[in-house]
Formats: sequence, structure tokens, C-alpha cells
Amino acid sequence: DAGVIQSPRHEVTEMGQEVTLRCKPISGHNSLFWYRQTMMRGLELLIYFNNNVPIDDSGMPEDRFSAKMPNASFSTLKIQPSEPRDSAVYFCASIVGFSNTEAFFGQGTRLTVV
Amino acid sequence: SQQGEEDPQALSIQEGENATMNCSYKTSINNLQWYRQNSGRGLVHLILIRSNEREKHSGRLRVTLDTSKKSSSLLITASRAADTASYFCATDANRDDKIIFGKGTRLHILP
Repeated sequence: DAGVIQSPRHEVTEMGQEVTLRCKPISGHNSLFWYRQTMMRGLELLIYFNNNVPIDDSGMPEDRFSAKMPNASFSTLKIQPSEPRDSAVYFCASIVGFSNTEAFFGQGTRLTVV
Repeated sequence: SQQGEEDPQALSIQEGENATMNCSYKTSINNLQWYRQNSGRGLVHLILIRSNEREKHSGRLRVTLDTSKKSSSLLITASRAADTASYFCATDANRDDKIIFGKGTRLHILP
């Protein structure tokens, strides 16, 4: 298996534009997590899904952020409109089962909003 | 919100020495995990310890868990240059399915 795949690896966009980040979890994994990493705030959990259903989105910072998981092999995180303070590295992780197993991380998407 | 808090924030040691990092957390847990992150990369799982375990070993890694103090430690013995990375603890906060990370310890192994 190729592991968790995220795209794009880097994204530079202008303030106000819509940004869509993509994640393909490991086949057979049934939980998916989106995290945001910054120097100031560390690694923050934004939202997680079990069996494609959003379970907890309390970490989503604002209504500008939305996430979907239309099927077991694909998830998106959308920011609209983007702002400079959204600049961060966004990680997707998947696990088989629930939180008592290891999480496999993608390589992340480095987002820069100018 | 952060569940785990690593200590120290940064650590520099000579190659060959042992490195110890600590993690404190706030709520009851089912398990605690340690991850490593090399610069510019995703996190990689190192070891998982369950709440009914007190100590676990994996190669040069030794993890302890004290649920009464809500704390864990990660010991890396005989450190190598390749161990230079950030290390994070992660817990299933409030025993639900969320995996919450601390801010990490930046470890630098000096040649």
C-alpha cells in the first residue's frame, strides 16, 4: 500500500480564494483525521470521520472550513474564503478501527495564503 | 485544545547519550502513543502503551506510563544522529476516538 496520500504537497493562494485539500486514506482503514500544524498551536485536530461519517468537528476553527468524506477512499478539506492566518501544514491520518491503534499520516499539505 | 504537554520543549544531547522526554495529560485515557516527526514530513508511530500497562520496550525505546500522575516518559537509549526529530505524545482524550497530540519535544543529537 502507498500509505496515506495527500495532495497537493504545497499550495500557495491569495487571500479570499477557495482552497481544497485532498486525502486518500489507506485501503481498509475506517477512521480518518484532519490535523493542522503551526509553530504556535502545534498539531490541532480539526475533524475526524468513522466509516465516512463526521463524528466530531469541534476543532474546525470557523465556518470557512468544511470537510467531506464521500466514500471510504477519499476526503476533502475546504477553506473558503482563505485568510493568511490559515497558513499551516495540514495533515490527514487514517487508522483501522478506533483510537487504540496507530495512526498513519500523509506527508501533509503546506498551505500559504498571501 | 491540547491534551498532552511534552517536556522539555527542546533537548540537545551528544550522540550516544540517552534522551528522556516527558508527557503529561489531563483526562483519563485508554492508551497513549508516541510519534516521531522528521522535519517537513508526516508523523510516524513509534509505540503504543495501554492504560493497564506500566512499561513497554521497542528496540532502543522505552516508554513508561503512570496513570495516577497522568504522565508518560519516552527514553531513547544510545542516541544516534538519525534520532534528531520532534517527538509527540498522543492520547485518546476522555476515552473517545479522538487522537489528541501535544506540542512535541524537539530533539537534536549532536555529533
